[in-house]
Amino acid sequence: DTGVSQDPRHKITKRGQNVTFRCDPISEHNRLYWYRQTLGQGPEFLTYFQNEAQLEKSRLLSDRFSAERPKGSFSTLEIQRTEQGDSAMYLCASSSLRETYYGYTFGSGTRLTVV
Amino acid sequence: GQNIDQPTEMTATEGAIVQINCTYQTSGFNGLFWYQQHAGEAPTFLSYNVLDGLEEKGRFSSFLSRSKGYSYLLLKELQMKDSASYLCAVRGLTDSWGKLQFGAGTQVVVTP
Repeated sequence: DTGVSQDPRHKITKRGQNVTFRCDPISEHNRLYWYRQTLGQGPEFLTYFQNEAQLEKSRLLSDRFSAERPKGSFSTLEIQRTEQGDSAMYLCASSSLRETYYGYTFGSGTRLTVV
Repeated sequence: GQNIDQPTEMTATEGAIVQINCTYQTSGFNGLFWYQQHAGEAPTFLSYNVLDGLEEKGRFSSFLSRSKGYSYLLLKELQMKDSASYLCAVRGLTDSWGKLQFGAGTQVVVTP
């Protein structure tokens, strides 16, 4: 297992377009998290899945954002009608039930630039 | 909610020691984490404290005082590769499933 994978690594899109990111967690991890990070800031929590159930969404996640984890494995994060303020690094992380207590493993992120 | 404060930037010389402080205010506390993040890369886990005291891991040590809402990360024998952002993160009492609140990070610059 090569860790948490995110695709694409970079995405440039025009304002108003829709984008979708994919995250493949470590295979035995049942917990998956999405965070957003802007330059000079720490990651901000967006949403969390346990298996296929989305258990919490931050108020940062407006109606334009949706996340899914249909079979409890990979997850997608979609942003509709992108705005320049959506430009950020989108980080995915995963953990097992046991490892959650000790933190989790991040992917390398998808850097989104909205022009 | 949670407030997490850490210095924006610190500079130190190769071979020296640097201490990064983190203060937090939280409605409940269930653990404090330190992550290292190199530019353009994912954060990587460094340390975890839930009880008061010092945890040592090689060149890195982390200290926690719950009563003071205070932690520090100590980096010894600094190497050039330690130049990175160091993130302090807190888990609240109701966040047993893992949600973390991160500080803005401290950029450590190691000079020759």
